[in-house]
Amino acid sequence: RKEVEQDPGPFNVPEGATVAFNCTYSNSASQSFFWYRQDCRKEPKLLMSVYSSGNEDGRFTAQLNRASQYISLLIRDSKLSDSATYLCVVNSGGYQKVTFGIGTKLQVIP
Amino acid sequence: EAGVTQFPSHSVIEKGQTVTLRCDPISGHDNLYWYRRVMGKEIKFLLHFVKESKQDESGMPNNRFLAERTGGTYSTLKVQPAELEDSGVYFCASSGQLLYEQYFGPGTRLTVT
Repeated sequence: RKEVEQDPGPFNVPEGATVAFNCTYSNSASQSFFWYRQDCRKEPKLLMSVYSSGNEDGRFTAQLNRASQYISLLIRDSKLSDSATYLCVVNSGGYQKVTFGIGTKLQVIP
Repeated sequence: EAGVTQFPSHSVIEKGQTVTLRCDPISGHDNLYWYRRVMGKEIKFLLHFVKESKQDESGMPNNRFLAERTGGTYSTLKVQPAELEDSGVYFCASSGQLLYEQYFGPGTRLTVT
């Protein structure tokens, strides 16, 4: 079983739609969780950290469920510019070592 | 403020040759990381420097890979001799006080033929 699992997609959604991605992790000792965004042939960029209480940044909401060991990302009112690959990142228990998921590809269509 | 820079952006070498990748982190960032993404696979951690010291090199594939960070500034990753399976995109990232807020460089695309 992979340490961090994501559905690679692609998720094709119309503009204005709400879309949600889940990511599961296997290491119950993981403490820190993140969503990164990666545009085609570009570097990953931190989108948001995921806190136990959940957090929201504009149209983006991240949630953590420790009991079921998954994190989620919800995007409301999708824009064409949201098209990208969304990477789930979890600290692996080592000192600042993180594990990446394969990423979920989102394509927002007009 | 300049971001993380990497050189070269692309490198094509033959099996058995040597390649050295360079990473310049954001100024003042003590933490520097190397990652690799092989086509179709996840981004994998290679190693982590704190200043000039290797904090964690558990992700280094084998002894053909050598990373250095002399003086705690820029870092190099040397692959010698290169093998076909070393092809991929090598990312460098750095972080400052917020340890997990890592800033990535644009990556070096390495192709070994």
